[in-house]
Amino acid sequence: EVQLVESGGGLVKPGGSLRLSCAASGLTFTNVWMSWVRQAPGKGLEWVGRIQPITDGVTKDFGAPVRGRFTISRDDSKNTLYLQMDSLKSEDTAVYYCTTYGVVGVGAFAVWGQGTMVTVSS
Amino acid sequence: QSALTQPASVSGSPGQSITISCAGTSSDIGRYNLVSWYQQHPGKAPKLMIYEVDKRPSGVSNRFSASKSANTASLTISGLQAEDEGDYYCCSYATNNLVFGGGTKLTVL
Repeated sequence: EVQLVESGGGLVKPGGSLRLSCAASGLTFTNVWMSWVRQAPGKGLEWVGRIQPITDGVTKDFGAPVRGRFTISRDDSKNTLYLQMDSLKSEDTAVYYCTTYGVVGVGAFAVWGQGTMVTVSS
Repeated sequence: QSALTQPASVSGSPGQSITISCAGTSSDIGRYNLVSWYQQHPGKAPKLMIYEVDKRPSGVSNRFSASKSANTASLTISGLQAEDEGDYYCCSYATNNLVFGGGTKLTVL
């Protein structure tokens, strides 16, 4: 069974930084595109970004609201995905989900973690 | 990239069918056959229900079907059951970007 477990969420002040982690198991992590999706309290889903596997060049793409402030990386030796969030704003407050991307079909988020809450507040 | 447009809410009685629309543009839904749909129950992570416009992942009931016409995608749930109640989101690929709809709350009366 594929499992994704996020960690690293918490309370951070505006302008601060936070790094989220996502530990993956039950899949060949090296070959998998991965993504982050967030959901502000009481709001809808919003795509944060994605990262290709090393075999595809580890290219990264980001949604406009986080471009230039967030970055995604992966450590295939640890089956772990990361989301580095800098210059955080109150509007970044959300549950952050780690997801697989393209494992089932193209352009779909097939497996989701349980999410980790990030609160940006002074 | 603007969010896709979904109705805020839909409702139906057990056994009935409902359809949720998802309106996009020629840059997303209209350009790519890469529409997916997600079901979310309160406090839970979303679940993939449909990918590539009309394909069901293994384990998803065949009561769920979907289609696309021009810039609009649709999700149909037939034989409504109480367990179908929840939030539904559409999503489309759009050239190095992915955009979600605002979500539709389905109430089973």
